[in-house]
Amino acid sequence: EDKVVQSPLSLVVHEGDTVTLNCSYEVTNFRSLLWYKQEKKAPTFLFMLTSSGIEKKSGRLSSILDKKELFSILNITATQTGDSAIYLCAGRLGSQGNLIFGKGTKLSVKP
Amino acid sequence: GAVVSQHPSRVICKSGTSVKIECRSLDFQATTMFWYRQFPKQSLMLMATSNEGSKATYEQGVEKDKFLINHASLTLSTLTVTSAHPEDSSFYICSARGLTGASTDTQYFGPGTRLTVL
Repeated sequence: EDKVVQSPLSLVVHEGDTVTLNCSYEVTNFRSLLWYKQEKKAPTFLFMLTSSGIEKKSGRLSSILDKKELFSILNITATQTGDSAIYLCAGRLGSQGNLIFGKGTKLSVKP
Repeated sequence: GAVVSQHPSRVICKSGTSVKIECRSLDFQATTMFWYRQFPKQSLMLMATSNEGSKATYEQGVEKDKFLINHASLTLSTLTVTSAHPEDSSFYICSARGLTGASTDTQYFGPGTRLTVL
Protein backbone atom coordinates (compact mmCIF):
# COMPACT_ATOMS: atom_id res chain seq x y z
CA GLU A 1 0.00 0.00 0.00
CA ASP A 2 1.33 3.41 -0.96
CA LYS A 3 2.00 5.67 1.99
CA VAL A 4 3.74 8.84 2.97
CA VAL A 5 4.69 9.47 6.58
CA GLN A 6 5.66 12.84 7.93
CA SER A 7 7.29 13.68 11.22
CA PRO A 8 6.92 15.36 13.53
CA LEU A 9 3.17 15.92 13.30
CA SER A 10 3.53 19.24 15.06
CA LEU A 11 6.37 21.49 16.04
CA VAL A 12 6.61 24.72 18.03
CA VAL A 13 9.71 26.88 17.67
CA HIS A 14 10.75 30.48 18.23
CA GLU A 15 11.59 32.99 15.57
CA GLY A 16 15.11 32.56 14.32
CA ASP A 17 15.24 28.83 14.95
CA THR A 18 16.05 26.35 12.21
CA VAL A 19 13.68 23.45 11.65
CA THR A 20 13.87 20.20 9.75
CA LEU A 21 10.73 18.44 8.62
CA ASN A 22 10.85 14.81 7.64
CA CYS A 23 9.04 12.79 5.03
CA SER A 24 9.40 9.10 4.27
CA TYR A 25 7.56 7.36 1.49
CA GLU A 26 6.62 4.03 0.00
CA VAL A 27 5.09 4.81 -3.36
CA THR A 28 4.54 2.49 -6.30
CA ASN A 29 6.17 3.68 -9.51
CA PHE A 30 7.57 6.66 -7.68
CA ARG A 31 8.18 9.60 -9.91
CA SER A 32 8.78 12.60 -7.68
CA LEU A 33 8.22 14.04 -4.24
CA LEU A 34 6.53 17.35 -3.66
CA TRP A 35 6.39 19.72 -0.73
CA TYR A 36 3.49 22.11 -0.17
CA LYS A 37 2.75 24.79 2.39
CA GLN A 38 -0.83 25.06 3.56
CA GLU A 39 -2.03 28.04 5.54
CA LYS A 40 -5.71 28.84 5.74
CA LYS A 41 -6.71 27.60 2.34
CA ALA A 42 -5.32 25.30 -0.32
CA PRO A 43 -1.71 24.17 -0.45
CA THR A 44 0.85 26.24 -2.27
CA PHE A 45 3.65 24.52 -4.11
CA LEU A 46 7.14 24.69 -2.64
CA PHE A 47 9.40 22.10 -4.26
CA MET A 48 9.38 19.12 -6.54
CA LEU A 49 12.22 16.66 -6.11
CA THR A 50 12.99 14.01 -8.66
CA SER A 51 16.68 13.21 -8.30
CA SER A 52 18.58 12.11 -5.23
CA GLY A 53 21.09 14.36 -3.58
CA ILE A 54 20.25 17.57 -5.40
CA GLU A 55 19.24 20.29 -3.00
CA LYS A 56 16.55 22.70 -4.05
CA LYS A 57 16.50 26.12 -2.43
CA SER A 58 14.10 28.98 -2.28
CA GLY A 59 15.09 31.71 0.12
CA ARG A 60 15.24 30.28 3.62
CA LEU A 61 13.68 27.00 2.52
CA SER A 62 15.57 24.06 1.11
CA SER A 63 14.80 20.44 0.45
CA ILE A 64 16.58 17.30 -0.61
CA LEU A 65 15.58 13.79 -1.61
CA ASP A 66 17.23 10.46 -0.84
CA LYS A 67 15.77 7.85 -3.20
CA LYS A 68 17.81 5.07 -1.68
CA GLU A 69 16.44 5.65 1.81
CA LEU A 70 13.02 6.79 0.47
CA PHE A 71 13.26 9.98 2.45
CA SER A 72 13.12 13.72 2.07
CA ILE A 73 13.66 16.66 4.38
CA LEU A 74 12.50 20.23 4.27
CA ASN A 75 14.69 22.75 6.07
CA ILE A 76 13.64 26.22 7.11
CA THR A 77 16.34 28.50 8.49
CA ALA A 78 15.84 31.68 10.51
CA THR A 79 12.14 30.92 10.92
CA GLN A 80 9.61 33.73 10.97
CA THR A 81 6.04 33.83 12.28
CA GLY A 82 4.88 33.82 8.66
CA ASP A 83 6.32 30.34 8.28
CA SER A 84 3.61 29.03 10.61
CA ALA A 85 1.60 26.60 8.50
CA ILE A 86 1.02 22.95 7.78
CA TYR A 87 3.70 21.53 5.54
CA LEU A 88 2.55 18.69 3.34
CA CYS A 89 4.72 16.14 1.64
CA ALA A 90 3.34 14.10 -1.27
CA GLY A 91 4.66 11.28 -3.39
CA ARG A 92 3.75 11.33 -7.05
CA LEU A 93 2.82 8.06 -8.72
CA GLY A 94 3.71 7.06 -12.24
CA SER A 95 2.29 8.54 -15.36
CA GLN A 96 -1.14 9.55 -14.12
CA GLY A 97 0.37 11.82 -11.57
CA ASN A 98 -1.71 10.92 -8.53
CA LEU A 99 -0.36 12.33 -5.29
CA ILE A 100 -0.29 10.47 -2.02
CA PHE A 101 -0.15 12.95 0.83
CA GLY A 102 1.28 12.61 4.28
CA LYS A 103 -0.68 13.94 7.24
CA GLY A 104 1.43 17.05 7.35
CA THR A 105 3.59 18.77 9.95
CA LYS A 106 1.99 21.68 11.73
CA LEU A 107 4.68 24.27 12.35
CA SER A 108 4.06 27.09 14.80
CA VAL A 109 6.66 29.83 15.01
CA LYS A 110 6.39 31.99 18.15
CA PRO A 111 7.66 35.56 18.20
CA GLY B 1 2.13 31.18 -13.94
CA ALA B 2 0.19 27.96 -13.24
CA VAL B 3 -2.82 29.55 -11.59
CA VAL B 4 -5.87 27.51 -10.72
CA SER B 5 -9.12 29.09 -9.61
CA GLN B 6 -12.16 27.62 -7.91
CA HIS B 7 -15.66 28.96 -7.69
CA PRO B 8 -17.38 29.45 -5.38
CA SER B 9 -14.96 29.85 -2.50
CA ARG B 10 -17.70 29.22 0.01
CA VAL B 11 -21.18 27.81 -0.25
CA ILE B 12 -23.89 27.07 2.28
CA CYS B 13 -26.81 24.97 1.15
CA LYS B 14 -29.75 23.05 2.52
CA SER B 15 -29.74 19.30 2.85
CA GLY B 16 -30.99 17.62 -0.32
CA THR B 17 -29.83 20.24 -2.76
CA SER B 18 -27.04 19.90 -5.31
CA VAL B 19 -23.96 22.07 -5.42
CA LYS B 20 -21.61 22.61 -8.35
CA ILE B 21 -17.99 23.62 -7.85
CA GLU B 22 -15.89 24.83 -10.77
CA CYS B 23 -12.15 24.43 -11.16
CA ARG B 24 -10.32 26.35 -13.87
CA SER B 25 -6.70 26.47 -14.94
CA LEU B 26 -6.22 30.10 -15.89
CA ASP B 27 -2.93 30.23 -17.72
CA PHE B 28 -2.23 26.67 -18.78
CA GLN B 29 -4.02 23.71 -20.26
CA ALA B 30 -4.63 20.89 -17.84
CA THR B 31 -4.80 17.37 -19.19
CA THR B 32 -5.63 16.02 -15.78
CA MET B 33 -7.50 17.53 -12.87
CA PHE B 34 -7.81 16.07 -9.42
CA TRP B 35 -10.44 16.57 -6.76
CA TYR B 36 -9.56 16.32 -3.10
CA ARG B 37 -11.48 16.53 0.11
CA GLN B 38 -10.00 17.73 3.35
CA PHE B 39 -11.46 17.28 6.78
CA PRO B 40 -10.27 19.38 9.72
CA LYS B 41 -6.78 18.47 10.84
CA GLN B 42 -6.51 15.83 8.17
CA SER B 43 -4.47 15.53 5.06
CA LEU B 44 -5.88 15.77 1.60
CA MET B 45 -7.81 12.73 0.42
CA LEU B 46 -7.99 12.15 -3.31
CA MET B 47 -11.56 11.68 -4.46
CA ALA B 48 -11.16 11.32 -8.19
CA THR B 49 -8.96 11.96 -11.17
CA SER B 50 -10.40 13.37 -14.36
CA ASN B 51 -8.91 13.58 -17.82
CA GLU B 52 -10.34 15.93 -20.38
CA GLY B 53 -12.98 14.26 -22.49
CA SER B 54 -13.15 11.00 -20.56
CA LYS B 55 -14.86 9.63 -17.49
CA ALA B 56 -13.37 10.35 -14.12
CA THR B 57 -11.59 7.66 -12.14
CA TYR B 58 -12.90 7.53 -8.61
CA GLU B 59 -11.00 6.38 -5.56
CA GLN B 60 -12.28 3.49 -3.55
CA GLY B 61 -15.12 4.50 -1.29
CA VAL B 62 -16.10 7.60 -3.26
CA GLU B 63 -19.61 7.41 -4.70
CA LYS B 64 -19.48 8.42 -8.33
CA ASP B 65 -23.24 9.03 -8.47
CA LYS B 66 -23.00 11.42 -5.57
CA PHE B 67 -19.90 13.29 -6.65
CA LEU B 68 -20.33 13.96 -10.35
CA ILE B 69 -17.22 15.12 -12.12
CA ASN B 70 -17.12 16.61 -15.58
CA HIS B 71 -13.93 17.65 -17.36
CA ALA B 72 -15.37 19.33 -20.41
CA SER B 73 -12.30 21.19 -21.58
CA LEU B 74 -8.59 21.50 -20.96
CA THR B 75 -9.21 24.39 -18.60
CA LEU B 76 -12.39 23.45 -16.75
CA SER B 77 -13.51 20.66 -14.48
CA THR B 78 -16.63 20.65 -12.32
CA LEU B 79 -17.58 18.70 -9.23
CA THR B 80 -21.27 18.43 -8.43
CA VAL B 81 -22.26 17.21 -5.00
CA THR B 82 -25.71 15.79 -5.54
CA SER B 83 -28.36 15.59 -2.81
CA ALA B 84 -25.94 17.04 -0.32
CA HIS B 85 -26.13 16.03 3.34
CA PRO B 86 -24.47 17.53 6.41
CA GLU B 87 -21.78 14.85 6.33
CA ASP B 88 -20.71 16.18 2.93
CA SER B 89 -19.67 19.42 4.60
CA SER B 90 -15.98 19.77 3.97
CA PHE B 91 -13.25 21.66 2.19
CA TYR B 92 -13.02 20.60 -1.45
CA ILE B 93 -9.86 21.38 -3.36
CA CYS B 94 -9.05 20.81 -6.99
CA SER B 95 -5.67 20.64 -8.62
CA ALA B 96 -4.54 20.63 -12.20
CA ARG B 97 -1.63 19.08 -14.00
CA GLY B 98 -0.37 20.75 -17.14
CA LEU B 99 -0.18 19.65 -20.73
CA THR B 100 3.32 20.74 -21.57
CA GLY B 101 6.54 21.93 -20.06
CA ALA B 102 7.24 22.30 -16.39
CA SER B 103 3.59 22.13 -15.45
CA THR B 104 3.28 18.49 -16.45
CA ASP B 105 4.83 17.06 -13.32
CA THR B 106 3.44 19.33 -10.67
CA GLN B 107 -0.09 19.64 -9.45
CA TYR B 108 -1.20 23.20 -8.88
CA PHE B 109 -4.00 23.67 -6.42
CA GLY B 110 -7.03 25.88 -6.50
CA PRO B 111 -7.89 27.92 -3.41
CA GLY B 112 -10.55 25.44 -2.30
CA THR B 113 -14.27 25.59 -1.70
CA ARG B 114 -15.77 25.41 1.78
CA LEU B 115 -19.08 23.55 1.60
CA THR B 116 -21.47 23.69 4.52
CA VAL B 117 -24.66 21.67 4.30
CA LEU B 118 -27.32 22.60 6.81
